[in-house]
This record gives sequence, structure tokens and C-alpha cells, in this order.
Amino acid sequence: GNSVTQMEGPVTLSEEAFLTINCTYTATGYPSLFWYVQYPGEGLQLLLKATKADDKGSNKGFEATYRKETTSFHLEKGSVQVSDSAVYFCALSGTSYGKLTFGQGTILTVHP
Amino acid sequence: DVKVTQSSRYLVKRTGEKVFLECVQDMDHENMFWYRQDPGLGLRLIYFSYDVKMKEKGDIPEGYSVSREKKERFSLILESASTNQTSMYLCASSDWTPGSTDTQYFGPGTRLTVL
Repeated sequence: GNSVTQMEGPVTLSEEAFLTINCTYTATGYPSLFWYVQYPGEGLQLLLKATKADDKGSNKGFEATYRKETTSFHLEKGSVQVSDSAVYFCALSGTSYGKLTFGQGTILTVHP
Repeated sequence: DVKVTQSSRYLVKRTGEKVFLECVQDMDHENMFWYRQDPGLGLRLIYFSYDVKMKEKGDIPEGYSVSREKKERFSLILESASTNQTSMYLCASSDWTPGSTDTQYFGPGTRLTVL
């Protein structure tokens, strides 16, 4: 079946540091890949997505590239802000009703 | 903007009680989902519905049932709540169709504590 593995957290960074959160997946077929973010006290919201190999999703300074050869979708940001503190989830969508399979989530804390 | 609302942000129930969690979406989406979120486990799919009165089990349906009598409303039911059902419950909706990659939109979550 499908599965998603994220790097273990929590991740603690200083403001303006470079961020990478690793995500690898196992899936049959050609899934779409997503990063969702959950700010404190809120539900999840879509951060970015990619639908086919070599696609790059980007939003709010975050980027991730769909790498089929390494089955990865790592999240990066060049300079994090305190407001980026949140939980980040990597997910994939198969072909059945758009069901999502999530990774375990990575807690990011950014200090001033 | 798509809006998904959940009936309660926090809920405290006793073991053995019947619990209803309600979710409403305002975008006429066909598909609705219930997940539970636990630390270190991410989100796990409990049930989903792809049409009114149509439902399918997700990965962890045991101890839960669902109801979808109207398109905009999807209810999660805990027939007899147990302490291991203490969790954050998230509802989502999407307008997925075959060949699309439609986004799922999430509600704010209900944190359920079963004593």
C-alpha cells in the first residue's frame, strides 16, 4: 500500500535559517504529492502540491520538487520566519477518490 | 473561500457514551473525509463519503460509523466511546473527480477527550 515517511522532528531553527524537511514515499502508480501546514490551533491547509515527476510546487517561499527517481518530495525554504512555526505534513494522493496518505508530521519551531 | 466547519472545538465525554461529531462544508463538494490526528502518527483516515448516503471505510474504521444524509453534512459517530478514542478529529472535503488532483479542505478540528 501507499506510505509516506517524514524526517523526525521536532526541528528548531533561528530566524533566517535554511529549512529542509525530508519526505519520501512508497506508492503504486503516479501519485500527486502535497505539503500541508497546520498552524497552532487550526486545521490543515494546503501549502503546495505537485502532480507529476519533476514538477516543482511553491508557495510563501517554500518549494518542493517531485523526484520520481528517489521517490522524494523534500520541503525547503531559504529563510524561515517566526511565523513559519507550525506542523508540516507530507501527503500523497492515489487514484481512489483523492484519498490522502499522510506522513507523521514534523513540528517546526523558529526562534527570533 | 471554501469553508469546512466542525460543531465543536473541544469535547469531553465519558466512556460508553454515544458521541456525534458534525462537519459541514459550503462548497457543494462530493467527497468528505474524517481523519484522526495523533502525535507521531500523522493523520489516519477513518471513513470517507463520495456521495450522499455513500460511504467507505478508511484505514481505521473500528469503533466508528458515519452518516451522510445531505451533501453538505458528514457526521462521525462513536457508538460507545472509549479512552483510546481520545484524539483530534479532522473533517475534510474535496471535489475530486477521476483524473483531477483536487485539494482537500480541512475544518479546524475537534479535540475529543474520553474520560
